[in-house]
Amino acid sequence: DAGVTQSPTHLIKTRGQQVTLRCSPKSGHDTVSWYQQALGQGPQFIFQYYEEEERQRGNFPDRFSGHQFPNYSSELNVNALLLGDSALYLCASSLGQGARFYGYTFGSGTRLTVV
Amino acid sequence: RKEVEQDPGPFNVPEGATVAFNCTYSNSASQSFFWYRQDCRKEPKLLMSVYSSGNEDGRFTAQLNRASQYISLLIRDSKLSDSATYLCVVGTNAGKSTFGDGTTLTVKP
Repeated sequence: DAGVTQSPTHLIKTRGQQVTLRCSPKSGHDTVSWYQQALGQGPQFIFQYYEEEERQRGNFPDRFSGHQFPNYSSELNVNALLLGDSALYLCASSLGQGARFYGYTFGSGTRLTVV
Repeated sequence: RKEVEQDPGPFNVPEGATVAFNCTYSNSASQSFFWYRQDCRKEPKLLMSVYSSGNEDGRFTAQLNRASQYISLLIRDSKLSDSATYLCVVGTNAGKSTFGDGTTLTVKP
């Protein structure tokens, strides 16, 4: 049973560049959430995709955007990178929402460094 | 004030000790509650859900007090392998889950 897979695992970008991170959810899961985790902090919610639409969004600027495909996989795009965007980006997959939510399965993350 | 607050620790305990972590949340509409464990430079992994009636999984016991908006995790008979950061997570029915910044536990021989 394939878990959550993220790519790439590490990435170094220059300020002002754009980046795309990819995520394939766990088999059977239909919802993908993205989190940003800075060193020493808990994961911060970026947004969540369900049925190919953004359903919830955290306090992140419009430079952060995403997409979900019909096969439930997802992309996170960040434009105009800032040094402060350096972090571990985690993809979390789950099945359903509300009463059907039983917690996340996380991928191993993409470590983004902006220089 | 953060939506989910945890004592960051660190908690340093000897093997065999009992240790308790606390977590408070501010959104009274919260509907789902979890504890996750995160090892250094790894992804968080679901430890257990938390139910109003309290629940136990081996050496781990979780409690939820909705009136006080408070969650706890008790670890009995600590093992070296329990050393990790423990994240409290609170979610709404709309689908957003908010993480605390975690409590670091080190179990020493």
